[in-house]
Amino acid sequence: NAGVTQTPKFRVLKTGQSMTLLCAQDMNHEYMYWYRQDPGMGLRLIHYSVGEGTTAKGEVPDGYNVSRLKKQNFLLGLESAAPSQTSVYFCASRVWGEQYFGPGTRLTVT
Amino acid sequence: GENVEQHPSTLSVQEGDSAVIKCTYSDSASNYFPWYKQELGKRPQLIIDIRSNVGEKKDQRIAVTLNKTAKHFSLHITETQPEDSAVYFCAASLGAEGGGNKLTFGTGTQLKVEL
Repeated sequence: NAGVTQTPKFRVLKTGQSMTLLCAQDMNHEYMYWYRQDPGMGLRLIHYSVGEGTTAKGEVPDGYNVSRLKKQNFLLGLESAAPSQTSVYFCASRVWGEQYFGPGTRLTVT
Repeated sequence: GENVEQHPSTLSVQEGDSAVIKCTYSDSASNYFPWYKQELGKRPQLIIDIRSNVGEKKDQRIAVTLNKTAKHFSLHITETQPEDSAVYFCAASLGAEGGGNKLTFGTGTQLKVEL
C-alpha cells in the first residue's frame, strides 16, 4: 500500500513550457485535491475532484487544468508555465475527514 | 468562502514548556477542524482533528479546543520536545462526514522547541 504518490519529485521548466504532474492513490478514495504551497501562504487549493470524471475549481485555479479519467489518478497540467507558478505542489486524497498528502513536487519556472 | 487566520506565525518555546497556536474561521457552517504537522521537506500529516459537536479533544500531549460561538479553535502542546519542532497548519471545512468538501488552511505556525 503506497498511499499517495506524485511524479515527478522535482522539475525545472522554462517560461512557456508545459508539463503534467501525476498523482496516484491506491486507497480507493473518491476525493482528490491539488494544492500549492508557497512560503508564508500555507496550502492553497488549486483544483479538486469528488469522483472519477469530475473536477472543480479551488482557490487559485488560473493557469492550471486537471483531469480525473481514472479514480486512482488525478493529473495537474500547466499549459504555459510562468515564474509565478514556482512552488511546491501537493496532491491529497480523502474519504472520511482526513486528507492524505503525497510527498510533493518541487517545480521551478525560470 | 471560508477564511482561516492563524497566529502566531512563529513560536519559540523551551523544551518542556507548553505551546498554543490559535486559529479563527469565518464561516459559521464549518464543522470540521483538523490540525496538520509538516516537518521540513516532508508532507503535511494529520495530528488531531475535532468536529463541531465536541468542545475539546485530547491525544496524549496534544489537545484541541473549539469555541463555536467565537469561531476559534486552538492547538495545545504540553511538555514540548525537540521533535515537536515543525510547521503546524490549522484548517476548516464543511461536511467532514463524506462529501468532497475542501479544507481551507491557515498560513501556518513555525514552532521551534529549544533545548
